[in-house]
Amino acid sequence: GNSVTQMEGPVTLSEEAFLTINCTYTATGYPSLFWYVQYPGEGLQLLLKATKADDKGSNKGFEATYRKETTSFHLEKGSVQVSDSAVYFCALNSAGGTSYGKLTFGQGTILTVHP
Amino acid sequence: DGGITQSPKYLFRKEGQNVTLSCEQNLNHDAMYWYRQDPGQGLRLIYYSQIVNDFQKGDIAEGYSVSREKKESFPLTVTSAQKNPTAFYLCASMESGTRTDTQYFGPGTRLTVL
Repeated sequence: GNSVTQMEGPVTLSEEAFLTINCTYTATGYPSLFWYVQYPGEGLQLLLKATKADDKGSNKGFEATYRKETTSFHLEKGSVQVSDSAVYFCALNSAGGTSYGKLTFGQGTILTVHP
Repeated sequence: DGGITQSPKYLFRKEGQNVTLSCEQNLNHDAMYWYRQDPGQGLRLIYYSQIVNDFQKGDIAEGYSVSREKKESFPLTVTSAQKNPTAFYLCASMESGTRTDTQYFGPGTRLTVL
């Protein structure tokens, strides 16, 4: 079956530090890959996505590249801000047949950025 | 503004009671989903629906029920058979359910059993 593994948190950084959150996956077929962000007490918001190998998703300074050879989709940001403090989820969608867009999520990584 | 609304934001239930969580979307999406989130864990799929009057069990459907009588509405009932219902519940929708499509989430309902 499908699975997503994220690096264990929590991750604590100082403002302007470089961020990497690792994500690897196991899936049948050719999945699309997503990063979602969840701020305290809220729902999930799409941060970025990539739908085929070697695609790079980017948004708000965050980037992730779909690496089929290493089955990875690591999230990076060059300079984090306090406002980036949130929980980050990696997810995949290998819809096909009767899957109907079912997402498989990693367990989430808590990021805290200090001034 | 288009989006997904969930109500109530907080819900308290006594043991043995059924409760219904509301989810409404005005995005004209065909597919809708219910997830459960527990502290320190990812999201787990409860039920999903690809079209009106049709729905499928997800990974943890026991103790839950749903209906899809209208395209814009997908209410979730947490029954007394659900042994550990205290959790954060998230509703989502998707235009078509295809591989490249994006799932959009509501703000969530936090259910606490007293």
